[in-house]
Amino acid sequence: GDSVTQMEGPVTLSEEAFLTINCTYTATGYPSLFWYVQYPGEGLQLLLKATKADDKGSNKGFEATYRKETTSFHLEKGSVQVSDSAVYFCALRDYNTNAGKSTFGDGTTLTVKP
Amino acid sequence: DGGITQSPKYLFRKEGQNVTLSCEQNLNHDAMYWYRQDPGQGLRLIYYSQIVNDFQKGDIAEGYSVSREKKESFPLTVTSAQKNPTAFYLCATSRSGAYEQYFGPGTRLTVT
Repeated sequence: GDSVTQMEGPVTLSEEAFLTINCTYTATGYPSLFWYVQYPGEGLQLLLKATKADDKGSNKGFEATYRKETTSFHLEKGSVQVSDSAVYFCALRDYNTNAGKSTFGDGTTLTVKP
Repeated sequence: DGGITQSPKYLFRKEGQNVTLSCEQNLNHDAMYWYRQDPGQGLRLIYYSQIVNDFQKGDIAEGYSVSREKKESFPLTVTSAQKNPTAFYLCATSRSGAYEQYFGPGTRLTVT
């Protein structure tokens, strides 16, 4: 079945450092890929998405490129801020082979220190 | 204002009692989901519904029940059969197809 593997955390960075959170996936079909962010005590929010190979999703300075050849969707940001401290989830959804269900990674906790 | 409402935000119950968590949406989305999140862990799917009057079990449905009588509402009942019900419960919605999910603010349930 489908699966998502995320880089294990926690990740601790200094403000203005470069961020990479790795995400690889296994899927039998052609999934859409997502990054969600969860702030303490809240629900998840969509951060960015990509629906086909070579698409780049971007939002709030974060980027991720859908790489079919390496089955990856790594999250990057050039200069993190303290306010980026949160848990980040990589996810996929393949409606054709797993209708109605998303598959989530285990989440990566990011802490940014001033 | 479109969105997903979960109430209450915090819920406390004694062991052996059933409790129902509310989830309401005005996004006009067909699909609704319930997830459980334990500290430091990812999301686990409890139940989901793609259409009114129909729902499917997720990965951890034992000890839980749902109903979907209206498009806007998908309540989750945590029964006394659930061995370890203390957790953070998240409701989500989506349009049909490979689209993103929208999440509610969550309900933190504590059973003692």
